[in-house]
Amino acid sequence: EAQVTQNPRYLITVTGKKLTVTCSQNMNHEYMSWYRQDPGLGLRQIYYSMNVEVTDKGDVPEGYKVSRKEKRNFPLILESPSPNQTSLYFCASRPTYSGTSADTQYFGPGTRLTVL
Amino acid sequence: DAKTTQPNSMESNEEEPVHLPCNHSTISGTDYIHWYRQLPSQGPEYVIHGLTSNVNNRMASLAIAEDRKSSTLILHRATLRDAAVYYCILRRHPLNYGGSQGNLIFGKGTKLSVKP
Repeated sequence: EAQVTQNPRYLITVTGKKLTVTCSQNMNHEYMSWYRQDPGLGLRQIYYSMNVEVTDKGDVPEGYKVSRKEKRNFPLILESPSPNQTSLYFCASRPTYSGTSADTQYFGPGTRLTVL
Repeated sequence: DAKTTQPNSMESNEEEPVHLPCNHSTISGTDYIHWYRQLPSQGPEYVIHGLTSNVNNRMASLAIAEDRKSSTLILHRATLRDAAVYYCILRRHPLNYGGSQGNLIFGKGTKLSVKP
């Protein structure tokens, strides 16, 4: 089954304790991205990656790092989490332009992070 | 990407049609109109997209105004499972992605409630 998986689904941590949220897709997609979703602010993009070793900042990158060493994985790293990073996080993937206009983006189930 | 405007919320009765409007008066000639929805506690999922002509798929229909300044997502028979936030998003043609790489920019969407 084509899917995007994220782990963990729920995480409670304390300020300053480094954490990584993993994201993996099995569709051989080149493009992957991370979003955060907050009440009243909607979904905002954190980082995206066009392919292996190619990453770029989205709209709200401060406090986050990403890496793309393999095509299927795109982990989100919080080196020193703070309470304002408490949020619901979604990973997504899609193929690069293939000659059709569909360009559908697939989202993971989400990771709910609480930073105390 | 150009801006879209949607009502904050709408209500429908089960098994009745639902018409979800979206205004996009600043749409450019190469913008595709995409709809995604987010069911409670899930990541967004693709619903439908179009450019100029009306489109149908197994989930919904998309009616696009002749001047393309507005569009309507049509759910022909709403079910309780259709209760979700529906997002109308404009995306440039993949060949015109440029630096943004065609990132999805989510607005606040329309929260659809379905009454039994």
